[in-house]
Amino acid sequence: EAQVTQNPRYLITVTGKKLTVTCSQNMNHEYMSWYRQDPGLGLRQIYYSMNVEVTDKGDVPEGYKVSRKEKRNFPLILESPSPNQTSLYFCASSQSLVGTLPGEQYFGPGTRLTVT
Amino acid sequence: AQSVAQPEDQVNVAEGNPLTVKCTYSVSGNPYLFWYVQYPNRGLQFLLKYITGDNLVKGSYGFEAEFNKSQTSFHLKKPSALVSDSALYFCAAGSSNTGKLIFGQGTTLQVKP
Repeated sequence: EAQVTQNPRYLITVTGKKLTVTCSQNMNHEYMSWYRQDPGLGLRQIYYSMNVEVTDKGDVPEGYKVSRKEKRNFPLILESPSPNQTSLYFCASSQSLVGTLPGEQYFGPGTRLTVT
Repeated sequence: AQSVAQPEDQVNVAEGNPLTVKCTYSVSGNPYLFWYVQYPNRGLQFLLKYITGDNLVKGSYGFEAEFNKSQTSFHLKKPSALVSDSALYFCAAGSSNTGKLIFGQGTTLQVKP
């Protein structure tokens, strides 16, 4: 089954404790992206990757890191989480459509992160 | 700077009536536009996209969207709403010179029986 998986689905942590949210896709997609969803703000793109070893900042990259060492995986790293990073996080993947633009994106189920 | 606006936080329609969810955009270069839907406690699902060609785009579940270049709009429409269409809808825009994608704030659609 074609899918995007994220782990963990729920995470409660404390300020400053480094964490990684994993994302994996089995569709051989070039494009992968991380978003955060906050009430009233919609979805905001954190980082995206157009292929292996190619990553770029979205609209809200501060406080996050990513890496793309393999095509299928795109982990999101919070080196020193803070309470304002409490949010619902989605990973997505797609074929590249035109140039660097993503096509139809497949989204993971989401990771609800709480930082106290 | 690129931006997407969904001017209505919530749209209420009666089942069987037509629905419209509005979206306007601002991007540099040629726009590429998408609609996604989020059902309660679920991830997002793709509905439709506009890349080029016909201004009227047909998508999943009977939805369609009309691209209007002069008004920089991409409104989502459906001729006859169903209660099961009740969900959160997101418009998104990108341009071919960047891989960045901008989403709107989302519009909650409530379809009442």
